[in-house]
Amino acid sequence: NAGVTQTPKFRVLKTGQSMTLLCAQDMNHEYMYWYRQDPGMGLRLIHYSVGEGTTAKGEVPDGYNVSRLKKQNFLLGLESAAPSQTSVYFCASSPTNNEQFFGPGTRLTVL
Amino acid sequence: GEDVEQSLFLSVREGDSSVINCTYTDSSSTYLYWYKQEPGAGLQLLTYIFSNMDMKQDQRLTVLLNKKDKHLSLRIADTQTGDSAIYFCAEKGNAGNMLTFGGGTRLMVKP
Repeated sequence: NAGVTQTPKFRVLKTGQSMTLLCAQDMNHEYMYWYRQDPGMGLRLIHYSVGEGTTAKGEVPDGYNVSRLKKQNFLLGLESAAPSQTSVYFCASSPTNNEQFFGPGTRLTVL
Repeated sequence: GEDVEQSLFLSVREGDSSVINCTYTDSSSTYLYWYKQEPGAGLQLLTYIFSNMDMKQDQRLTVLLNKKDKHLSLRIADTQTGDSAIYFCAEKGNAGNMLTFGGGTRLMVKP
């Protein structure tokens, strides 16, 4: 039981490049989330999903897209990366109750 | 939107008690959480409290909730160097499964 895993762990992009972050969970959780963590700002919700095939916007969705084609995977895409998207990205999942389980994070730098 | 505030930094000596405070604005909070983040890692749920409770104790951890003042605290008894980390307070409202996080309190434990 691996829990929540994220790929890649680190990435450096140039402005304007695109990339996809992958989150996978093997706990059969319905809910999945993407957050970004910036110094002194805690975690801010980018997008989330309440089940396979569904997605919704969080607090800071601009510049990101997501897809949940399979229940166990939640993908976060950056179509045209900007330096303001330099951050640590965390994925989380939860069953339909309360506790959210977090992945180890992806550190993204956009030059 | 709703807001969760925490002080940035706390320093204690090993063996002392630590008290980390959090205030929030959402009067419809249903659950409040404390997460721990060690360097380079994701968030780990420490404990949570339902909004109709005043206190919850779990080994060295004591959570106090003052719903009237919208104030949450986490007390760590007999603080150890392994408790050094960033502690995040988070609250869940009564709509959906989204959490609002505070900015985190960095706890430093001196030997």
